[in-house]
Amino acid sequence: GIQVEQSPPDLILQEGANSTLRCNFSDSVNNLQWFHQNPWGQLINLFYIPSGTKQNGRLSATTVATERYSLLYISSSQTTDSGVYFCAVDFRDYKLSFGAGTTVTVRA
Amino acid sequence: DTGVSQDPRHKITKRGQNVTFRCDPISEHNRLYWYRQTLGQGPEFLTYFQNEAQLEKSRLLSDRFSAERPKGSFSTLEIQRTEQGDSAMYLCASSPSAYEQYFGPGTRLTVT
Repeated sequence: GIQVEQSPPDLILQEGANSTLRCNFSDSVNNLQWFHQNPWGQLINLFYIPSGTKQNGRLSATTVATERYSLLYISSSQTTDSGVYFCAVDFRDYKLSFGAGTTVTVRA
Repeated sequence: DTGVSQDPRHKITKRGQNVTFRCDPISEHNRLYWYRQTLGQGPEFLTYFQNEAQLEKSRLLSDRFSAERPKGSFSTLEIQRTEQGDSAMYLCASSPSAYEQYFGPGTRLTVT
């Protein structure tokens, strides 16, 4: 069936470290988004990236649609980067299918 | 642009009671979505509207759930005869056509 798989499920980083989160998806997509869920539960938009590469400050993302994966890079991590990161995909049916998330903990 | 708003932010109810949640999308966004998120999981799609028309409903949306979007503006999600399994975060999102979705802060429902 249609699937969105994120890895790793958990990531513990020392402040200042770099990391890569991966999202694999099982079919062609219209839309791919990365979110950061804050401690109060709100989903914060990080990237809208159905293909290509984007950068926003210390974060960047790359989607290779033909190979059905996306990567989220966090550089020089800070404690405020802690939280759950979700990849969500629109498999040409207008609704987002979410992965299970990667829980990132950044230690000072 | 004030973002997507949801009300209430928290709701505690007793099993068997009815509850209603409201979502106000970003103005001029013609698509509005409802999702549900349980602890430790990613959000799951419930239903979506294009303007006032409800175009799709998930099998997760039992007969006890109903959603409306009168006049294509705000939307309400009602749960009748709540059960403990309905306890979850209910998230609303809006988008301009089939593009990037923007989420509200959610309504956390606890059924006791």
